Amino acid sequence: EDQVTQSPEALRLQEGESSSLNCSYTVSGLRGLFWYRQDPGKGPEFLFTLYSAGEEKEKERLKATLTKKESFLHITAPKPEDSATYLCAVQPSGYSTLTFGKGTMLLVSP
Amino acid sequence: TAGITQAPTSQILAAGRSMTLRCTQDMRHNAMYWYRQDLGLGLRLIHYSNTAGTTGKGEVPDGYSVSRANTDDFPLTLASAVPSQTSVYFCASSDEFNANTGELFFGEGSRLTVL
Repeated sequence: EDQVTQSPEALRLQEGESSSLNCSYTVSGLRGLFWYRQDPGKGPEFLFTLYSAGEEKEKERLKATLTKKESFLHITAPKPEDSATYLCAVQPSGYSTLTFGKGTMLLVSP
Repeated sequence: TAGITQAPTSQILAAGRSMTLRCTQDMRHNAMYWYRQDLGLGLRLIHYSNTAGTTGKGEVPDGYSVSRANTDDFPLTLASAVPSQTSVYFCASSDEFNANTGELFFGEGSRLTVL
């Protein structure tokens, strides 16, 4: 059974305090791993796709990395507007659908 | 740009009543999905459709039905609502290219309370 586990469940940072969110996964063949951002009361918004171990993607203060068992979302010098829930999802080989983790709720205080 | 439109935004429903959540997209995407999101459980796939005329079951399909008569619309029906179907429902879509990148476009959600 495909599983996606995100940690921590919640993270509180001070503005400028860098940190990382973790997504560990178990899947029988990985087609892709995806990161989404979700603001309160809104639908998730796509951030990144990673396809193979060693791959990295960057967008502003966010960088996503991938190994064979987990992915990290590094947040460098975060700002209050980075506060959101970050969701990780995997797409197994041969499937068109995604399996999501439960998310990490990030709060960045000024 | 509208993207994905869901209706209603919120609804309170008596147990045993039927309800259809509407989802319309204007991006001509071939694939559409229904997820429910519950505190502590995350996003779980209910049903999906890879193209008009076809549907498939997701992780939690029981108590729900869908149809895909055309490309733009993907309604979700609860035939006889139960309190455990209280949740926030998200509709999403992706096109043939973006399905490979995992880029789903989500609606704003429909909050359903079953009493």
